[in-house]
Amino acid sequence: DAGITQSPRHKVTETGTPVTLRCHQTENHRYMYWYRQDPGHGLRLIHYSYGVKDTDKGEVSDGYSVSRSKTEDFLLTLESATSSQTSVYFCAISEEGTDTQYFGPGTRLTVL
Amino acid sequence: AQSVAQPEDQVNVAEGNPLTVKCTYSVSGNPYLFWYVQYPNRGLQFLLKYITGDNLVKGSYGFEAEFNKSQTSFHLKKPSALVSDSALYFCAVRDMNYGNNRLAFGKGNQVVVIP
Repeated sequence: DAGITQSPRHKVTETGTPVTLRCHQTENHRYMYWYRQDPGHGLRLIHYSYGVKDTDKGEVSDGYSVSRSKTEDFLLTLESATSSQTSVYFCAISEEGTDTQYFGPGTRLTVL
Repeated sequence: AQSVAQPEDQVNVAEGNPLTVKCTYSVSGNPYLFWYVQYPNRGLQFLLKYITGDNLVKGSYGFEAEFNKSQTSFHLKKPSALVSDSALYFCAVRDMNYGNNRLAFGKGNQVVVIP
């Protein structure tokens, strides 16, 4: 999976609790992304980063925040998890000058 | 808005038969188009992309895709399907509304190859 790890790989949590997912890359790529995958919706972009401390919202950013303090790490935080955030979350990376994205293995999050 | 459409939810094909997965696009300007595959419980894997040049693009695992500008299509093809090709396939287009390497994905096609 192109030098990308995600942690945890599985998590079960309760409504109202904060959750942080971590994406770590060893490729030194500039761009990093967080997507969620849901049946019938394909992949939807939550947030992305175009450099350290540079982030922007995607199409489904409500209820999520991100941080990128180092090139290799991109964190996704659910401040107060809701059942609608039950999903599979994928991190992706891409290099400057190319649009090809490479994906991590995913995190399956269940909010009860 | 830049978008792709994958009109079929599921494609069933017998092993050894040709496989086609359909994708149409809607963009302003020149399209940058991609195909990805997702095997069960895995992340998406890049198969191939079209940026410019030859309308027939060859990719990984024996797949190819044909860019057709007049029909705004970018169909994925494989001459002889294998059972191991059973997976979820996503078409994507560069989202030209944003300058920073963003892609817009289709909803995916489940491919089932029947032995």
